[in-house]
Amino acid sequence: GNSVTQMEGPVTLSEEAFLTINCTYTATGYPSLFWYVQYPGEGLQLLLKATKADDKGSNKGFEATYRKETTSFHLEKGSVQVSDSAVYFCALSDQGQGGSEKLVFGKGTKLTVNP
Amino acid sequence: ETGVTQSPTHLIKTRGQQVTLRCSSQSGHNTVSWYQQALGQGPQFIFQYYREEENGRGNFPPRFSGLQFPNYSSELNVNALELDDSALYLCASSWRAGAYEQYFGPGTRLTVT
Repeated sequence: GNSVTQMEGPVTLSEEAFLTINCTYTATGYPSLFWYVQYPGEGLQLLLKATKADDKGSNKGFEATYRKETTSFHLEKGSVQVSDSAVYFCALSDQGQGGSEKLVFGKGTKLTVNP
Repeated sequence: ETGVTQSPTHLIKTRGQQVTLRCSSQSGHNTVSWYQQALGQGPQFIFQYYREEENGRGNFPPRFSGLQFPNYSSELNVNALELDDSALYLCASSWRAGAYEQYFGPGTRLTVT
């Protein structure tokens, strides 16, 4: 079945450092790809998405490009802030029976940004 | 626009008991999905409801069941609780089945002792 593999964490960076969190996927067809963020004690928030090959999703300085040839959707940010400390999840859409559309998540990568 | 809300925030149950978790979908959304997130893991899909019917199910036993109401709110019921059911249960809503974007509530933390 479809699956997502994320870079193992935790990741610790200093403020203003460059961030990359790797994500690769295995899927039949062409799923939509997402990055969600989970702050401590909270649910998941959609950070960005891409629905087809070569699409670039972006939000709050974060970017990720849907690469079909490498089956990847790596998350990047040029200059992280302390407030970016959270757990980041890569996910893909997987269409199931009856037209349902579930999300398949990676295990998450915990990011800590120090001042 | 009201976001996804869930209740209760936390609860503690004993093995063998039954539990009901509740979710109100975001305004304008007609599809609700439930996920289980074990500690340190990514969320796992339990099932999805669309127009009050189950529309897809993940690899969870029948003791996990649900309902969706005419106002699109939803319940997750778990019978015969096991210790491994301890997790954060997340509800997500979206516009119609097959929608790409799902919006999550804050979750219900269930502890089974």
